[in-house]
Amino acid sequence: GAGVSQSPRYKVAKRGQDVALRCDPISGHVSLFWYQQALGQGPEFLTYFQNEAQLDKSGLPSDRFFAERPEGSVSTLKIQRTQQEDSAVYLCASNVGLAGGRFYNEQFFGPGTRLTVL
Amino acid sequence: KQEVTQIPAALSVPEGENLVLNCSFTDSAIYNLQWFRQDPGKGLTSLLLIQSSQREQTSGRLNASLDKSSGRSTLYIAASQPGDSATYLCAVRGNNRLAFGKGNQVVVIP
Repeated sequence: GAGVSQSPRYKVAKRGQDVALRCDPISGHVSLFWYQQALGQGPEFLTYFQNEAQLDKSGLPSDRFFAERPEGSVSTLKIQRTQQEDSAVYLCASNVGLAGGRFYNEQFFGPGTRLTVL
Repeated sequence: KQEVTQIPAALSVPEGENLVLNCSFTDSAIYNLQWFRQDPGKGLTSLLLIQSSQREQTSGRLNASLDKSSGRSTLYIAASQPGDSATYLCAVRGNNRLAFGKGNQVVVIP
């Protein structure tokens, strides 16, 4: 089956613009994660969904960042009033997820969206 | 907060040599540890997953060990090939997230 897909692959925004990044997880995967990867760094956790519920958003760097997954499948990460420091690759991952909050499965990552804010 | 460190940050080896990549983490309360490969401009490809109760996992030329009590994992790549050139990322799974190191950037010289 298809892997995790993300769109757009590249996005250039002027400072102050709003952007929306889309993630299509693997079909049937309960858990969905967003990460931010700055140049030369490892990915940093942003937020986590279990189905449509956003269970952890502690990694979102400011209130300009907002994520949703209204039907428990596709997710959108929205960044309002973009700043230059938002320039990074935004990675989405999904995994099967198990009942009871214990997760033993590997996370599968999409190709990422490279955001450049001018 | 979980801190993950990967040493060395970068290395070059001649083709055919074995690669040894090290990962250390500060909090041993993890569910699992995952090794990824990342090619320039690409996403992450999962290589191996080691559950917290396991000591090692093997896949082809790759072998990863886990010593949870000392907070260490090692990825071995046998008989390296130029196609192994990439950045290798170690990540440990806590409650709701993976915590990543900065990666080992590997170049295999033909």
